Amino acid sequence: DARVTQTPRDKVTEMGQEVTMRCQPILGHNTVFWYRQTMMQGLELLAYFRNRAPLDDSGMPKDRFSAEMPDATLATLKIQPSEPRDSAVYFCASGLYNEQFFGPGTRLTVL
Amino acid sequence: AQSVTQLDSQVPVFEEAPVELRCNYSSSVSVYLFWYVQYPNQGLQLLLKYLSGSTLVKGINGFEAEFNKSQTSFHLRKPSVHISDTAEYFCAVASGSSNTGKLIFGQGTTLQVKP
Repeated sequence: DARVTQTPRDKVTEMGQEVTMRCQPILGHNTVFWYRQTMMQGLELLAYFRNRAPLDDSGMPKDRFSAEMPDATLATLKIQPSEPRDSAVYFCASGLYNEQFFGPGTRLTVL
Repeated sequence: AQSVTQLDSQVPVFEEAPVELRCNYSSSVSVYLFWYVQYPNQGLQLLLKYLSGSTLVKGINGFEAEFNKSQTSFHLRKPSVHISDTAEYFCAVASGSSNTGKLIFGQGTTLQVKP
């Protein structure tokens, strides 16, 4: 049963620290998405890739967030420096055509 | 630009009662439509999808949805809900022409099933 995996599942850090979240998409999927979910804003699309190339990262705060796909089996989302307002659940999803499969999420708490 | 509106933020219902979660979309092109469910502390899981063909789509866990092009709606229904259906439900739309795979999500509807 193929699944999207995310690590870590939970992360507590202090303001100013660097945070890296990792995602392993389902093998064979050609698109990868990063979302952020909060109570106030709901589900927001941060960035997405097709065939490892970034297609759109307009949802990301450019000064502190970066997203990459070093290879087809790994996508990363980095925040540097982190701020309390970054506290949220971050989801990775991978897809083929128009269906997306979500990972379990990384719950980030920035103190 | 495409958008999705879920008309109810919360829907309380008693167990074994029928339920309808409403979703309207706006798009000037052909669309693909989806419903996802999110259980507490989990990611989103696909319930059902409309890509083409029959406007009545059946999904997992006894859910179904009907695509109504004239009303630009894609309402989700279940004839008899269970306590285990308590979750957040998201309607989403993708452009049928751009094929980017990008989905536009609604704000979500919390279904609360009471015993």
